[in-house]
Amino acid sequence: DAGITQSPRHKVTETGTPVTLRCHQTENHRYMYWYRQDPGHGLRLIHYSYGVKDTDKGEVSDGYSVSRSKTEDFLLTLESATSSQTSVYFCAIRGQGINTEAFFGQGTRLTVV
Amino acid sequence: AQSVSQHNHHVILSEAASLELGCNYSYGGTVNLFWYVQYPGQHLQLLLKYFSGDPLVKGIKGFEAEFIKSKFSFNLRKPSVQWSDTAEYFCAVRNQAGTALIFGKGTTLSVSS
Repeated sequence: DAGITQSPRHKVTETGTPVTLRCHQTENHRYMYWYRQDPGHGLRLIHYSYGVKDTDKGEVSDGYSVSRSKTEDFLLTLESATSSQTSVYFCAIRGQGINTEAFFGQGTRLTVV
Repeated sequence: AQSVSQHNHHVILSEAASLELGCNYSYGGTVNLFWYVQYPGQHLQLLLKYFSGDPLVKGIKGFEAEFIKSKFSFNLRKPSVQWSDTAEYFCAVRNQAGTALIFGKGTTLSVSS
């Protein structure tokens, strides 16, 4: 398995509180991604990063922010969690080059009550 | 916007039956295509990928997929499924910018022994 660690693996939080999820990689890959997985929707891209301090929005970025201050860490922050953000969040990494695939972390199950 | 369609939401098969899962993508240019599998409670793992060359791609665990450019399709096949193939299967295409993967909504495969 690729060296990807997501933390925490499970979290329950209250509506309106801020939450930060962390993705750590040991592969020195350029690209890092945050997806959310919901029944009937598959995986949807939230944000991605193509380098330190270089990030861009995905299709479901509203309510989320990200930061990447080091190659190995990509943080996803829910500024004020809502029940609609209850989901499983997956981090993925990909090396540079067009012929490369993404490797996924184990996921973080977030419940907003 | 690019999209991926997986026609089968839930497929139920008996062991030894043949499998074909449909996948169509919207982008007509050069494409990179992927099939990922997610076993219950686990993260996504790559089954196979297509970048160029032979349109018939062989992956792990006896799976294969055929890229048909004229039909914008990349269907997944396996001649004889096993109970252990029970999982959710996702088709994905790299976006036009080459920066991220766009996923279909997934197909749940249930194999009875």
